[in-house]
Amino acid sequence: DSGVTQTPKHLITATGQRVTLRCSPRSGDLSVYWYQQSLDQGLQFLIQYYNGEERAKGNILERFSAQQFPDLHSELNLSSLELGDSALYFCASSPQLGYGYTFGSGTRLTVV
Amino acid sequence: GENVEQHPSTLSVQEGDSAVIKCTYSDSASNYFPWYKQELGKRPQLIIDIRSNVGEKKDQRIAVTLNKTAKHFSLHITETQPEDSAVYFCAAIPLGGGGNKLTFGTGTQLKVEL
Repeated sequence: DSGVTQTPKHLITATGQRVTLRCSPRSGDLSVYWYQQSLDQGLQFLIQYYNGEERAKGNILERFSAQQFPDLHSELNLSSLELGDSALYFCASSPQLGYGYTFGSGTRLTVV
Repeated sequence: GENVEQHPSTLSVQEGDSAVIKCTYSDSASNYFPWYKQELGKRPQLIIDIRSNVGEKKDQRIAVTLNKTAKHFSLHITETQPEDSAVYFCAAIPLGGGGNKLTFGTGTQLKVEL
């Protein structure tokens, strides 16, 4: 157990729908990062939060949004889902900006 | 921003042989370089890291070397075993600044054959 908790582990939904992925960082970690990993692909950075504030944005689609709450958990919202959004979505957290990255077990999203 | 290139994309070795994966980075301010191992369908896990004030670091069968002048770093796995088969990602970041994140390489699929 890495200490980073992601729910749900699996999600199957239809095209056009909206889903919310949840991440609870390790205790004490202030930074949360979201990554998308499609089949046989690398880790595509989506967005980063630090202590409730957005710090960096990657190739995140306009249909996707995220936030970090006062208790430091984060949610990634994916809307108007398309088949191509099927992927593993990882959350990572770190105590400092960039150091000690630890990944959660991921949410496998399947859009049918 | 930082750009990390990783080679090769796939690597096949015989059990017991050594494996080397190489990465180059673009941002001279980067000073922290971790390596992650990802087994199929699982989360990436940190296996070793190195800071820029060190040229080499070793942990049992794995080692990482860093050449700051040339901006490249490498992962070395000796006496490879079937359980070493996985995807390996290198990464780089300048620690200490705001808004910084790890930039990952594109990954190397390592296959250790019996």
